Amino acid sequence: AQRVTQPEKLLSVFKGAPVELKCNYSYSGSPELFWYVQYSRQRLQLLLRHISRESIKGFTADLNKGETSFHLKKPFAQEEDSAMYYCALKNRDDKIIFGKGTRLHILP
Amino acid sequence: GAGVSQSPSNKVTEKGKDVELRCDPISGHTALYWYRQRLGQGLEFLIYFQGNSAPDKSGLPSDRFSAERTGESVSTLTIQRTQQEDSAVYLCASSLQRGVTDTQYFGPGTRLTVL
Repeated sequence: AQRVTQPEKLLSVFKGAPVELKCNYSYSGSPELFWYVQYSRQRLQLLLRHISRESIKGFTADLNKGETSFHLKKPFAQEEDSAMYYCALKNRDDKIIFGKGTRLHILP
Repeated sequence: GAGVSQSPSNKVTEKGKDVELRCDPISGHTALYWYRQRLGQGLEFLIYFQGNSAPDKSGLPSDRFSAERTGESVSTLTIQRTQQEDSAVYLCASSLQRGVTDTQYFGPGTRLTVL
């Protein structure tokens, strides 16, 4: 079964502390993986994708095929990082499967 | 240019009525996706269009749901005989093309409430 699991519904982190949003996937093949973010009162938007190996707003995510994980990390959380984060997988048929999301709350 | 737009932004309907939701993708985007987001849940894939054909309808929850697209333009999602469990935010997204460069751009969503 193709599945994306985000085990945490809510993650609270103090400003300046490191952030790690967990994502595990189930897929028999080479997936394309993404992180999407939705800030308050804004549209869902792409944050980063694994094939680009980029850092956006200080966030990075490394695909670990052995652990089937694509955790999102940032070394020092900022208040503006508070948002809903979704991990997503695109299969070979271009269908995109989203996780249930993790709400990140940065505490002052 | 303009992003993806959806209408109406909010729709309240009575159980058993039909509703039609509209999505205007970004001009030139060939791929169009519909998702449903129930309260407290993740995004649930409904249907995907490449041009005006729908290679993947597997996400449509029942035969009460249908969608069509005119060319590479507007898409409508129709829900017949609405039920209370259809209450959700319906999101539309478009992307330039399939493949590596196909970042999805999302619309603001339509919040459907079935009484």
